[in-house]
Amino acid sequence: NAGVTQTPKFQVLKTGQSMTLQCAQDMNHNSMYWYRQDPGMGLRLIYYSASEGTTDKGEVPNGYNVSRLNKREFSLRLESAAPSQTSVYFCASSEPGSQPQHFGDGTRLSIL
Amino acid sequence: KNQVEQSPQSLIILEGKNCTLQCNYTVSPFSNLRWYKQDTGRGPVSLTIMTFSENTKSNGRYTATLDADTKQSSLHITASQLSDSASYICVVSDLWGRRALTFGSGTRLQVQP
Repeated sequence: NAGVTQTPKFQVLKTGQSMTLQCAQDMNHNSMYWYRQDPGMGLRLIYYSASEGTTDKGEVPNGYNVSRLNKREFSLRLESAAPSQTSVYFCASSEPGSQPQHFGDGTRLSIL
Repeated sequence: KNQVEQSPQSLIILEGKNCTLQCNYTVSPFSNLRWYKQDTGRGPVSLTIMTFSENTKSNGRYTATLDADTKQSSLHITASQLSDSASYICVVSDLWGRRALTFGSGTRLQVQP
């Protein structure tokens, strides 16, 4: 029972580089989310997808794009990484009409 | 602006002792409140969820309370174990749905032998 799987677990980038964070869930959930977690702050929602084919902005979407590839997969892309995007990124999923309940173990991203 | 404040920021207790973590919120209109446990290097795991009408909910040695009038919640851990060492995050939802979650910054608990 994998739950929510995120790859990679760690990544170091240089300013201006691009990369895609991958997330997959095997619980047949409709809704998926991307959060970032910074020291001393609560998790903040970047983007979410209520169902396959739909995405919507959260609290801090600037500098990010997302793709809901299919029901299982939801990716987060940084087109031109900036040091302010150094953070731990969490993907989550939930049952329809419910709140995020299942989180992945995060991707730790450092941007130099 | 909706806010969730947790206290203390960090706490050290001895194994076997009890402790209580606090969560105060200003989210309105209130829908529900959830406590998560986050181990170091892992994602948050849901412990309990409480709606407006619930005062107390238990999950093993974890007992959450909710006072919707004073907008306060607590998480009580009984007979602590080393495995309880983690961050505990309080999350409050308003009635507008899944985008409108407000996360606290967490209480870091360390249980020492």
